[in-house]
Amino acid sequence: SQQGEEDPQALSIQEGENATMNCSYKTSINNLQWYRQNSGRGLVHLILIRSNEREKHSGRLRVTLDTSKKSSSLLITASRAADTASYFCATADSGSARQLTFGSGTQLTVLP
Amino acid sequence: KAGVTQTPRYLIKTRGQQVTLSCSPISGHRSVSWYQQTPGQGLQFLFEYFSETQRNKGNFPGRFSGRQFSNSRSEMNVSTLELGDSALYLCASSLGVLASTDTQYFGPGTRLTVL
Repeated sequence: SQQGEEDPQALSIQEGENATMNCSYKTSINNLQWYRQNSGRGLVHLILIRSNEREKHSGRLRVTLDTSKKSSSLLITASRAADTASYFCATADSGSARQLTFGSGTQLTVLP
Repeated sequence: KAGVTQTPRYLIKTRGQQVTLSCSPISGHRSVSWYQQTPGQGLQFLFEYFSETQRNKGNFPGRFSGRQFSNSRSEMNVSTLELGDSALYLCASSLGVLASTDTQYFGPGTRLTVL
């Protein structure tokens, strides 16, 4: 079953703009991970944030985690056409850390 | 380091048949997990193996099974295929040791079509 929802379900922006995606979850977690998927291919790992961290950066990516609200956000700055993909958040629950529960995903389209 | 590899990449079967999918993890990774992705249900966890033992299992019927070998390679088997088993099956590997930072790396997937 899905852990929670991602918001928005679809996002369309112009190259150079920033894209923000949100994820909500329901249970206590060990960590939260963000993945990218291009057109039904495998998932590419983007970033992992532990439950005791509030913010993490990796290149053009910034992830925040608010465990009190059970929510996370992914910000992609200065987006490129190559960023066009589906983005998923996945939580590793406290009880079974390697059983990832995925959100429903956000389809991001970056227009050149 | 080579990534996670999955074979075959595409498979077409008919209802009632069985299928075996294979996954080779990243060298040094001891945990292998399997996921099913469908348009209707999204990404769902099937099971996880660590050191040849099933450590976690998702909510799937017994027709779905798996195993892991001593070299950490894993196979999953689906018996008595149903139309609803058509999906992208993804394998992920991780070190499997420290839960809080254990990143799962995914393979390209096997696209199974059941006719």
